[in-house]
Amino acid sequence: QSALTQPASVSGSPGQSITVSCTGTSSDVGGYKYVSWYQHHPGKAPKLMIYDVTKRPSGVSNRFSGSKSGNTASLTISGLQAEDEADYYCCSYAGSSTYVFGTGTMVTVL
Amino acid sequence: QVQLQESGPGLVKPSETLSLTCAVSGYSISSGYYWAWIRQPPGKGLEWIGNVYHGGSTYYNPSLKSRVTISVDTSKNQFSLKLSSVTAADTAVYYCARRPTTDDYFDYWGRGTLVTVSS
Repeated sequence: QSALTQPASVSGSPGQSITVSCTGTSSDVGGYKYVSWYQHHPGKAPKLMIYDVTKRPSGVSNRFSGSKSGNTASLTISGLQAEDEADYYCCSYAGSSTYVFGTGTMVTVL
Repeated sequence: QVQLQESGPGLVKPSETLSLTCAVSGYSISSGYYWAWIRQPPGKGLEWIGNVYHGGSTYYNPSLKSRVTISVDTSKNQFSLKLSSVTAADTAVYYCARRPTTDDYFDYWGRGTLVTVSS
């Protein structure tokens, strides 16, 4: 298992849309419809933002959306807000009841 | 509201065994779900360590499998992690989390606890 590849950082101005990519292989991201995304503010518990590639848990803003194409999953944040500034991690099911996380992306609101 | 709280020594010597406990409140472990450990080394991304089901079945990261034991204590509503033969590479913030039984994501997490491996 190798960590999924994410850009180290992505930035945008308030109100803009940004996209965070998450690239894996056909053994994880490309092979299953089980990609999830987590928002992490340092010192706090990570928060589930997207699951099963595109689904949003109750209470998560509809400004967050997910998609997947081949071996790459993406998280889009539209209408960027100051409170969205955080680290974001993707996670994929990797078969045989195992999971692999991404390298993490720091989202900065300019 | 489901809450998870990690606890254990913040400093472990090389070659010794790291032991952590995750206390769960707001939900009975014996009612179901998988319970997971995940870690984050300084400056690096998250790494899944393994899951345990309330009945005791376990699944581990292949890269850690030989050193990891995750167990559940339903009487205390908590689950535990033991990682043997630790080195400096095991220094990390360790998180516990909950995974729905028939789904593949982690819906509740603890805040994490830093464990440093050093003599």
